[in-house]
Amino acid sequence: GNSVTQMEGPVTLSEEAFLTINCTYTATGYPSLFWYVQYPGEGLQLLLKATKADDKGSNKGFEATYRKETTSFHLEKGSVQVSDSAVYFCALSGGFKTIFGAGTRLFVKA
Amino acid sequence: NAGVTQTPKFRVLKTGQSMTLLCAQDMNHEYMYWYRQDPGMGLRLIHYSVGEGTTAKGEVPDGYNVSRLKKQNFLLGLESAAPSQTSVYFCASSPTRAGGLGTETQYFGPGTRLLVL
Repeated sequence: GNSVTQMEGPVTLSEEAFLTINCTYTATGYPSLFWYVQYPGEGLQLLLKATKADDKGSNKGFEATYRKETTSFHLEKGSVQVSDSAVYFCALSGGFKTIFGAGTRLFVKA
Repeated sequence: NAGVTQTPKFRVLKTGQSMTLLCAQDMNHEYMYWYRQDPGMGLRLIHYSVGEGTTAKGEVPDGYNVSRLKKQNFLLGLESAAPSQTSVYFCASSPTRAGGLGTETQYFGPGTRLLVL
């Protein structure tokens, strides 16, 4: 069945550091891929998405490219800020449901 | 446009009590979902609905029931609460993908924090 695996956290970085959070998936067909972000005390919200192979999703300085050959959708940001501290979820949609990864907590220190 | 709203925000129950969590969305979405989020467990799907009058079981349905009598509302019921149901509950809704083939971006409510003593 479909599944998503993302790197375990927490990830702790200093402000302005480069961020990578790895995500790989297993899926049949052609799912859409997503990154969601959850700030403390809030629900998840969409950060970016890609709907087909080689698409790049981007938002707020974050980027991820849908790599079908490596079944990956790694999240990157060139320079993180303290305000980026949150939990990040990789996800894929297939059928009627969305499959979420376990989440990666990011701490950014000033 | 309120998006997805959840009622209540916080509730304390005693073991054996019942309650209903209400989710409402004003985006005319077909699909709606109930998840629970527990520390270290990510999101787990409880039940979902692909349209008014239809519901289906998710990953962890035991101890919960749902109803979708109106397209905009999705109710989650706990008939006899247990301490294991202490969690944060999130509702989400989603439009269909182009062509109606499955779900797309999910829009989440702010969550309901439930404590069962």
